Parts: sequence; structure tokens; C-alpha cells
Amino acid sequence: DAGITQSPRHKVTETGTPVTLRCHQTENHRYMYWYRQDPGHGLRLIHYSYGVKDTDKGEVSDGYSVSRSKTEDFLLTLESATSSQTSVYFCAIGRGVEEKLFFGSGTQLSVL
Amino acid sequence: EDQVTQSPEALRLQEGESSSLNCSYTVSGLRGLFWYRQDPGKGPEFLFTLYSAGEEKEKERLKATLTKKESFLHITAPKPEDSATYLCAVQAVGDYKLSFGAGTTVTVRA
Repeated sequence: DAGITQSPRHKVTETGTPVTLRCHQTENHRYMYWYRQDPGHGLRLIHYSYGVKDTDKGEVSDGYSVSRSKTEDFLLTLESATSSQTSVYFCAIGRGVEEKLFFGSGTQLSVL
Repeated sequence: EDQVTQSPEALRLQEGESSSLNCSYTVSGLRGLFWYRQDPGKGPEFLFTLYSAGEEKEKERLKATLTKKESFLHITAPKPEDSATYLCAVQAVGDYKLSFGAGTTVTVRA
């Protein structure tokens, strides 16, 4: 497995609380991505990073923010969690724009 | 906007019964089409990248093909361990991201 660790693996939280998910890589890959996966929708891109402190929005970025202060860490924050953000969140890394992605094992987030 | 549609949603096969999965796509300019496999509770795992119409890639019992509008993933003589969800994704020229389809869940019975 590519060296990607997502934490936590499971989290249950209440509506309105802030939540931070962490993605840590040991591969020194430049590109990092956060996707969410929901039944019937497939994987949808939330935010991505193309370098330290370089991030951009994906197709479903509302309600989410990210930070990347080191090459190896990419944080996803839900400022005020809502029930619609209940999902499985995957982090992915890539060496280059045209390169294949390696995915983490996912975080199951439930917002009650 | 890039669009990826996979069919069927689910496929149940008997061991040894060959079949094909379809991925139809719309993209302004294709940089690459990707196939991934996803097992329950795990992240997707890369299978193939196809770049131009007519290209084919093979890996064990899987063969991926590409035309200008769609890609097929052929599973030849499947085994129960081929049971998984297969995801198709496209990347447009000049874009960082992949756009994924909803996937086809394949179940192979012994």
C-alpha cells in the first residue's frame, strides 16, 4: 500500500460542531486530494492541493476548508458540520498531474 | 462539465461467465481515462490508464479498451476474487482532477 494514513477512520459528531480530518503521506507526492463518496454519486472532489500552501476548490467545496502546511499533511475541516456531510471521505495522492492516484482507506463520518 | 456514466450499476456473474462493463464519457479534451477497483471498506486501487482511442490494456482477467465516447472493461472467465466495485474516471486536458462515475458493482458466484 502507498504510504497514506487517514485519521480518524470513523467519527460520529453532532450538527454544528467543527470536524477536522487528517491525511498523512510518506511518499513525498506533490498532489493531494480530498474526495467524498456517496451512494449513487461516486467520488466527488472537495478540494485539492498542488503544493505546500497551494490549494484549490473542487466541485463540492461548500462547507469545507483545507490546509497544507507541510508536504506530508493535508487537513480537511468542516467548520460547522451538517447532516448532508455524512459521507465516506477519501484522501488521494499523486506524483504528477497525469499520474495515477493512490487512495487512503477512508474516513466514515456520521453527522447526527 | 465532464460527465461519466457507468453501466450497469450492478452485475452478478457465475464463475467463468465473461462479461463487460461500460463507461460512457463526455469531456472537452481527454487527457486520460482511468479504471479503479474498490473493495468494500477500502479506497480505490488503480488498474489502468488509457490515453487514446483504440488503446487496450490487460491485467490478468481484465482488459480495458477505449473509443472516443466510451470505454469497456472486459472480465474474462471471472473468479470470486474479482468481486468488487469498478470505477471509471476521466481527466480533461489542463485539469488537475479526475471526474468519477458512480461505479459498477460486480459479484462473482462460485
